[in-house]
Amino acid sequence: AQRVTQPEKLLSVFKGAPVELKCNYSYSGSPELFWYVQYSRQRLQLLLRHISRESIKGFTADLNKGETSFHLKKPFAQEEDSAMYYCALTLTGANNLFFGTGTRLTVIP
Amino acid sequence: EPEVTQTPSHQVTQMGQEVILRCVPISNHLYFYWYRQILGQKVEFLVSFYNNEISEKSEIFDDQFSVERPDGSNFTLKIRSTKLEDSAMYFCASSEVHANTEAFFGQGTRLTVV
Repeated sequence: AQRVTQPEKLLSVFKGAPVELKCNYSYSGSPELFWYVQYSRQRLQLLLRHISRESIKGFTADLNKGETSFHLKKPFAQEEDSAMYYCALTLTGANNLFFGTGTRLTVIP
Repeated sequence: EPEVTQTPSHQVTQMGQEVILRCVPISNHLYFYWYRQILGQKVEFLVSFYNNEISEKSEIFDDQFSVERPDGSNFTLKIRSTKLEDSAMYFCASSEVHANTEAFFGQGTRLTVV
C-alpha cells in the first residue's frame, strides 16, 4: 500500500539558514509527488509538484526514486516560510491524494 | 482569484444526528473531493466525485457518508448518524482535471460531535 512518511513533526531553523523537510514514500509503481503548504490561518495550497520541476518561493524538491524520497529544500529560510508542510502522493490516473503527517517549520528571526 | 468555499466554518452536533457539510467548488473544475483531518493526525482522503458520481472512496467512507451535487454548484457531504470519532476538520477540494493536477482546498469545516 502507498504510504508517505514525514519523520519530523517540528523543525526550527534560523532565518538565512538552509532548510530541508524530509519526505519518504513507499509505493511500488510510479507515483506523483507534491508538497502542500498551510500558512497560519490560511487554506492548504499546492507549493510544488515533482513533474513541474520548478522552484516556488525558493523551494525545490527532487524525486529520488532510488531512495524513494522527495525532500523539500530551500537554501536560505525566510520568516514567512514558517508554516505546516505536507508531502503528498497520488498514483497516475487516480483521483486522491495520500498525505504525510506534516512538518511544522518555524523560522527563527 | 477563485476559491473553494465551505460552510459552515464550525458545526457542533449531537451524537447520532445527521450533518451536512457544504462546499462550493471552483466553477470550471470537474473533480471534487472531501478530505478530513482528525486533530493531530494526517489529512485523509474520503471520496472523489466526477461526472455526478463517486470516482473513488476510501475505507473511511462507509455507509454513514454520502456525497451529492444537488444543483450543479454545491457539493455536499452528509454524515447520517454522527459518532464522536467523526469530530475532525473536513476539507473540500476541487481540481480542473484529476488529482494529478493542482487540487484547490477550501478553508475547512470543523465538525465537533458531542
